[in-house]
Amino acid sequence: QTVVTQEPSLTVSPGGTVTLTCASSTGAVTSGHSPNWFQQKPGQPPRALIYNTDNKHSWTPARFSGSLLGGNAALTLSGVQPEDEAEYYCLLLYGGPWVFGGGTKLTVL
Amino acid sequence: EVQLVESGGGLVQPGGSLRLSCAASGFTFSSYWMNWVRQAPGKGLEWVANIKNDGSAISYLESVKGRFTISRDNAKNSLYLQMNSLRVEDTAVYYCANNWESGYWGQGTLVTVSS
Repeated sequence: QTVVTQEPSLTVSPGGTVTLTCASSTGAVTSGHSPNWFQQKPGQPPRALIYNTDNKHSWTPARFSGSLLGGNAALTLSGVQPEDEAEYYCLLLYGGPWVFGGGTKLTVL
Repeated sequence: EVQLVESGGGLVQPGGSLRLSCAASGFTFSSYWMNWVRQAPGKGLEWVANIKNDGSAISYLESVKGRFTISRDNAKNSLYLQMNSLRVEDTAVYYCANNWESGYWGQGTLVTVSS
């Protein structure tokens, strides 16, 4: 059974920079996994942020960026804002099925 | 404006069935892969199934294979999820989403499996 692992929680100060990672139990994450990133706030549906590793949607703030880093997919937030406090999920492709990571709860404090 | 509106959720007993629908508008539905994703209360997101734009390719989460069937009607701009042999652990909010490059999600419909 494929497992996608994210940090359970991270804390960052306003204006700071933080990197969330997404690891695969099958080995290094590559562009072939088509990494996606989503943000979810309480009581709301998920909001797409990044697709295919590093592509932003038209609504994605410039401070969010996606990459491959050290064998993982990564989401970096630069100049964090209070409204960035949320749960973040990565999503990876495994042939046909997709698998979500367990999510990272980001606290802005 | 892109809209995805799920319906069909509700309370069902274990072993029962439900059919979820997702009405799409604001984009060319027949051109896009579509997905179902669920979220159990207080838990993370779980991808459930997807279907190619013309229905020629389908994938499922292992735990729903043989119980759930995803389908679409491009003439009606609608996506469906037929859920049979429902289990308590299928309790979740079910979201439809179009292909990840487009990035649109519905608001979700709650399915509760309980006796």
